[in-house]
Amino acid sequence: EDKVVQSPLSLVVHEGDTVTLNCSYEVTNFRSLLWYKQEKKAPTFLFMLTSSGIEKKSGRLSSILDKKELFSILNITATQTGDSAIYLCAGAAGSYQLTFGKGTKLSVIP
Amino acid sequence: EPEVTQTPSHQVTQMGQEVILRCVPISNHLYFYWYRQILGQKVEFLVSFYNNEISEKSEIFDDQFSVERPDGSNFTLKIRSTKLEDSAMYFCASSARLAGGNNEQFFGPGTRLTVL
Repeated sequence: EDKVVQSPLSLVVHEGDTVTLNCSYEVTNFRSLLWYKQEKKAPTFLFMLTSSGIEKKSGRLSSILDKKELFSILNITATQTGDSAIYLCAGAAGSYQLTFGKGTKLSVIP
Repeated sequence: EPEVTQTPSHQVTQMGQEVILRCVPISNHLYFYWYRQILGQKVEFLVSFYNNEISEKSEIFDDQFSVERPDGSNFTLKIRSTKLEDSAMYFCASSARLAGGNNEQFFGPGTRLTVL
């Protein structure tokens, strides 16, 4: 059975801190690793990673994939209160179905 | 920016009733998906749909569930006889499967289904 495990499950930081969110996966016929941000309802797409060692960046967010260790991290620098959300990691399998982790709930305190 | 839309945003139904959840995927996308998220739990895959047929389904997607693309724009999820445990947020997603396998899935805002 495919499995995605995220850690920590929750995190409280102060504005300006840098955070690292972790995701390990075991996905049969793995194709890619996706990160989403979930605030109130729908997950919002952040990154899709298919190759090891290539960092993807978008503003203060960055992510990298290690296909040997079956691991990915999501970094957020200079956190803001607007970064407060649940961050979801998902592995995409051969048929492109996504297996999600439970998410990391990030709370950024002013 | 194109987005996935879903209706209704909230559906309340009695146990045993049929419900149809509607989705309009992004117009040039080819793959369509349904996921659900029971309150406080993780997002779970239900079914994927391509070329007018189901390409993959999970154990959750039993005979009570069906999907349909009745026209060129809508994608529906039907639950024939709802159970209390079907109460969840149901998300529709779509992706454009390019030759390189680009499978970014974009999610709709969800329909919250409450079964009484």
